[in-house]
Amino acid sequence: DTAVSQTPKYLVTQMGNDKSIKCEQNLGHDTMYWYKQDSKKFLKIMFSYNNKELIINETVPNRFSPKSPDKAHLNLHINSLELGDSAVYFCASSHKSDFLLDEQYFGPGTRLTVT
Amino acid sequence: GENVEQHPSTLSVQEGDSAVIKCTYSDSASNYFPWYKQELGKGPQLIIDIRSNVGEKKDQRIAVTLNKTAKHFSLHITETQPEDSAVYFCAASKGRGSTLGRLYFGRGTQLTVWP
Repeated sequence: DTAVSQTPKYLVTQMGNDKSIKCEQNLGHDTMYWYKQDSKKFLKIMFSYNNKELIINETVPNRFSPKSPDKAHLNLHINSLELGDSAVYFCASSHKSDFLLDEQYFGPGTRLTVT
Repeated sequence: GENVEQHPSTLSVQEGDSAVIKCTYSDSASNYFPWYKQELGKGPQLIIDIRSNVGEKKDQRIAVTLNKTAKHFSLHITETQPEDSAVYFCAASKGRGSTLGRLYFGRGTQLTVWP
């Protein structure tokens, strides 16, 4: 299946721990994103990568570090987890186009719970 | 930055009725307006989008209208069915350019369709 996939789907961990979320897309897209959805369902962009290069860093604490080993993968590593990090994290990707406008396709999400 | 407002936050309709969700945006440079449907436990799914050179777009039971002058756009769902029940998000973007297609989301509308 062609899609944006994320692992794990659920992640429960304690405060202070370090954890990673992985994202892969097999759509041939060149741009990938991380979004955070809070408990009120608000979606906000965190990072964007284009061809493995960080383009957008939306005032996210430096405890969050994205890593893009190649165009098909964008992982999110979080250090020293805090209660406020509990949320659903979505990876998304968009395809290369000669036009200025691109559709973004989202993964299924990773629900992170920090206790 | 862009500010997208979405109304209503909740919407209940009887099966077969129409549903309308409205959004406004603040940045006149925005030129791409997608709509996403998010079912429980899943990632947002693109259902329709409209670009600034078009005033209306229709796809079967869903349609989107755009009024650039007033800076608002709307989603119309006709002949609603229980499976239309979900959270719907509008978004605005200035296109790939330097913002790499960054999406600014509205806060979502919980649509419930009663059989």
